[in-house]
Amino acid sequence: RKEVEQDPGPFNVPEGATVAFNCTYSNSASQSFFWYRQDCRKEPKLLMSVYSSGNEDGRFTAQLNRASQYISLLIRDSKLSDSATYLCVVNRPTSGTYKYIFGTGTRLKVLA
Amino acid sequence: GAVVSQHPSWVICKSGTSVKIECRSLDFQATTMFWYRQFPKQSLMLMATSNEGSKATYEQGVEKDKFLINHASLTLSTLTVTSAHPEDSSFYICSALAGYEQYFGPGTRLTVT
Repeated sequence: RKEVEQDPGPFNVPEGATVAFNCTYSNSASQSFFWYRQDCRKEPKLLMSVYSSGNEDGRFTAQLNRASQYISLLIRDSKLSDSATYLCVVNRPTSGTYKYIFGTGTRLKVLA
Repeated sequence: GAVVSQHPSWVICKSGTSVKIECRSLDFQATTMFWYRQFPKQSLMLMATSNEGSKATYEQGVEKDKFLINHASLTLSTLTVTSAHPEDSSFYICSALAGYEQYFGPGTRLTVT
């Protein structure tokens, strides 16, 4: 079992739809959580850090559930430009430092 | 803020030659930078963690003598692919740590012929 797991998708949704992704992590010592988006043949770009209280940035809302060890990303009013792969990233301590664990990503296709 | 640059953005080299890739944090200082490799339609694979002023920490299976990393300043880390072979052709991406957030460079596409 992978330490950070995501449904690979693809999620095909019409423009204007609301879509949600979940990401589960297995190490309870994980401390920081992030969502990145990656477009084809490009680098990942930080979408948002995920805080314990949950946070919102425009159409994007991220939630953290430490008890169940998952984070979620909700996208409202999907745009064609939201089509990308969404990466879940978890940071946890290891051997006196920190390690960032990447999920394999969830592909989203927003259809006209 | 938190801009990371990489140079070159793409490079084609002959088998057996060495290629150096630079990663710079432009508007912040980064004690820690990471080097990743990504093959088409696959996930990012962490190659090594680069800490300013100390030796890089390589992930299991990554040859440190083949992928030389130098992090001589708080804004620059370099990755040198030595004696490159066609199987080293890939998309190499660096990231720099600002607080707990990673900011990625635009990547370097390496093709070894």
